[in-house]
Amino acid sequence: EVQLVESGGGLIQPGGSLRLSCAASGFTVSDNNMNWVRQAPGKGLEWVSVIYSGGNTYYADSVKGRFTISRDNSENTLYLQMNSLRAEDTAVYYCARGVSRAFDCWGQGTLVTVSS
Amino acid sequence: DIVLTQSPDFQSVTPKEKVTITCRASQSIGSSLHWYQQKPDQSPRLLIKYASQSISGVPSRFSGSGSGTDFTLTINSLEAEDAAAYYCHQSSSLPWTFGQGTKVEIK
Repeated sequence: EVQLVESGGGLIQPGGSLRLSCAASGFTVSDNNMNWVRQAPGKGLEWVSVIYSGGNTYYADSVKGRFTISRDNSENTLYLQMNSLRAEDTAVYYCARGVSRAFDCWGQGTLVTVSS
Repeated sequence: DIVLTQSPDFQSVTPKEKVTITCRASQSIGSSLHWYQQKPDQSPRLLIKYASQSISGVPSRFSGSGSGTDFTLTINSLEAEDAAAYYCHQSSSLPWTFGQGTKVEIK
C-alpha cells in the first residue's frame, strides 16, 4: 500500500527552525517527484516545494531562501528544513507524491505553529 | 505566476442535484489541470487529473472537462458524502498553484 506519514511539526517561536519528515512506504521516494503543500488554518492549499526524481528543487517565493527540501534515499524519506520561521508559516504541512505532476498520494499532515 | 479562480466559493446543494464548479486560469495551461476533494479534517484526495482523466476508485459521478483557460468539475447526482471543499491545481508551470477552493454543503 502506498503511504506517506509526516512528522516533526510543533510549536516554534518566530525566527526558529524546524525539520519536517515524510516517511514513504509502498514506493520509492527517489523515483518520484515529491512535494510539500501547506494549508493555513481555515484557508486553502498552497504549494511550497518540489524535489524532482533527478534531484532538481524548486520553491514558492514565500519560502525561497528559508526552506530546503531534501530526501534520504536509504531511509525512503522526504524532508523539509524550515529556517527563519514566521507567523505566516503557521499551517498544516502535507507531503504529496506527484505522478505526471498530479498529486496522487498525500500524507495526513503535520501542524506547524509559529508563535511566541 | 498562474492564478486559478474558482467559482462559486460556496454552494449549498440538495442530494441528487448536479453540481458544477468552474476554474479559470489567468493564462492558457493546456490540460494541465487537476481536481482534489478535501473533506473536513482530512487530507486532499485526487479526483480528476489532466482536466478530464478519471482516477481509479473515484465514483463515476465525478467528471471534468475543459482546456486552455476554462475548466469544469461536475458532480452528477450529489450524495451526502460529497460535502467537502474542492480545489483545482495547475501543473503547467512552476510555481504550481491552486484555486481558492469551493465549499459544497449539503442542504
